[in-house]
Amino acid sequence: ILNVEQSPQSLHVQEGDSTNFTCSFPSSNFYALHWYRWETAKSPEALFVMTLNGDEKKKGRISATLNTKEGYSYLYIKGSQPEDSATYLCASPDDYKLSFGAGTTVTVRA
Amino acid sequence: DVKVTQSSRYLVKRTGEKVFLECVQDMDHENMFWYRQDPGLGLRLIYFSYDVKMKEKGDIPEGYSVSREKKERFSLILESASTNQTSMYLCASSLRRASGSFDEQFFGPGTRLTVL
Repeated sequence: ILNVEQSPQSLHVQEGDSTNFTCSFPSSNFYALHWYRWETAKSPEALFVMTLNGDEKKKGRISATLNTKEGYSYLYIKGSQPEDSATYLCASPDDYKLSFGAGTTVTVRA
Repeated sequence: DVKVTQSSRYLVKRTGEKVFLECVQDMDHENMFWYRQDPGLGLRLIYFSYDVKMKEKGDIPEGYSVSREKKERFSLILESASTNQTSMYLCASSLRRASGSFDEQFFGPGTRLTVL
């Protein structure tokens, strides 16, 4: 089992504020890093699959960066909106499966 | 629109019952997975399958078995349900690629199982 860690476990953000949080993973034998968003009462859905050191991906107001040498990724939410409230999961491939972090739960207050 | 469906959103069973959770995907994916999610623990892999009739144990297979008779369907079986199996169960599927690359997983809506 790969040791994938996320911090913080939860955070509360005022609407309009920006925020970021961290995923750390083993840097040896790196293949890829996944980010998923899991909204209440919905299925988790993939945000990004990142493979290259220094990669930066963006989807709307959400972006992610990747540092494979030091084993971390940041996810940023710019100008948070209530619809951004969700649990954000990161995961790293381990053979044919993914090892998930415990998630960061973001609550955006109007 | 791609889809992974699970047979029930909510399920209540009694200790000792045999429980079947069904998952169907319509994307012709080779890989299918069963996870459970508990507060503070993230998604933990129970079993996965990379082909019909093939199965591999995940990180927490004890107390569970699986069946994959058709490519689109992956079933999770609790042979004798216990209270510590009360959890959210998620099914997922993905394409199989060559080793070293890894496609995103598509998830079902989850089944919240309560064992009394």
